[in-house]
Amino acid sequence: EVQLVESGGGLVQPGGSLRLSCAASGFSVSTLMKWARQAPGKGLDWVSIIFDDGRTFYADSVRGRFTISRDNSRNTLYLQMTSLRSEDTAVYYCARGHFADWGQGIQVTVSS
Amino acid sequence: QAVVTQEPSLIVSPGGTVTLTCGSSTGAVTNGHYPYWIQQKPGQAHRTLIYDTTSKHSWTPARFSGSLIGGKAALTLSGAQPEDEAEYFCLLYYSGVGVFGGGTKLTVL
Repeated sequence: EVQLVESGGGLVQPGGSLRLSCAASGFSVSTLMKWARQAPGKGLDWVSIIFDDGRTFYADSVRGRFTISRDNSRNTLYLQMTSLRSEDTAVYYCARGHFADWGQGIQVTVSS
Repeated sequence: QAVVTQEPSLIVSPGGTVTLTCGSSTGAVTNGHYPYWIQQKPGQAHRTLIYDTTSKHSWTPARFSGSLIGGKAALTLSGAQPEDEAEYFCLLYYSGVGVFGGGTKLTVL
């Protein structure tokens, strides 16, 4: 059974950093993986993608501040977030492949 | 960054047919934008119905189909069921970078 479990969220001050983890089971994270987010009462917001060949892409709003990566030995996807802003406050989701499977989401709140 | 546009809301009668569309500020939507359609219901996990314009996941009901119509990506629901009432988000890719539309709230009434 495919499962994705996010962790590492929480409350952080503006300008701070967080690293989100997405622990996968039932498949290898060496495949196409993505991060998306959803602010309270808002629509979905695409964040980042990592292809099976290692290429990465980012939304304009996070490029230069967020980094997607993975540890195949731990079968875990990561999102390193720095220089966080209030507008980064959202529930963050990791997803597999063609958004075939989604994690349950993890709350990130950026506030002083 | 491109802007992806969707109808804010639509209403369909039970058993009826409705088409949701997804446009791009950069011009016509093509297969090269790899359109996705994702369903969201309150309190439930997101469910991706369509990817790469027309491809379905194993769980996608047959009444949903994806296409390109008039320069936009389209999601057609034929034979709407009460359980199809949800918000639907389209996603387009621009040279590797994804952009979601604002979502369409579909009411089955």
